[in-house]
Amino acid sequence: GAVVSQHPSWVICKSGTSVKIECRSLDFQATTMFWYRQFPKQSLMLMATSNEGSKATYEQGVEKDKFLINHASLTLSTLTVTSAHPEDSSFYICSAYGQGGSGANVLTFGAGSRLTVL
Amino acid sequence: AQSVTQLGSHVSVSEGALVLLRCNYSSSVPPYLFWYVQYPNQGLQLLLKYTSAATLVKGINGFEAEFKKSETSFHLTKPSAHMSDAAEYFCAVSEGGGSEKLVFGKGTKLTVNP
Repeated sequence: GAVVSQHPSWVICKSGTSVKIECRSLDFQATTMFWYRQFPKQSLMLMATSNEGSKATYEQGVEKDKFLINHASLTLSTLTVTSAHPEDSSFYICSAYGQGGSGANVLTFGAGSRLTVL
Repeated sequence: AQSVTQLGSHVSVSEGALVLLRCNYSSSVPPYLFWYVQYPNQGLQLLLKYTSAATLVKGINGFEAEFKKSETSFHLTKPSAHMSDAAEYFCAVSEGGGSEKLVFGKGTKLTVNP
């Protein structure tokens, strides 16, 4: 079946630094990728939708300059948390929707990336 | 706007007992409905989905859910709980028609007691 890989799965950084999280579709082309944020014991909140080759569409209240999303290829989207602060500590999950191959018309989630900002 | 309400943030059952996780939705268009399971520090795994076909949907691991339009509900059930079912369960809704933008409920943590 379709597989989405997120890297890193765990990351700890100092306040003020930037962190990049990668989301890759391993055996299908992902025309659309979604980025979610999940606080402890809470639900997933959609941050943004990214389509390959175009700018991401951010949800209301999400700072686009804070959370930079790039979807430069059909198999890779990245989320960069810029100038991270402790309140950005969270579990970030991506999902990918593909066309063709094992990921056709299927929404597949990555395993998530846990960010801790000290 | 679409929304999902999951009644009960925690549900505890005995092994072998019926599992019932409740989900009610709100949608201005015919919805697509989903149930996902999340194990600690992992992503989400799709259990089942309703996409306007049969109202009783069977999923993986013995779970099923029934779409009831009159009650705007999509409750998840399993006849006999197993220890491995202990996890967080999320109900989600989308507008369908190719849109995979999901709105999630707050989740229900299922505990299975031996």
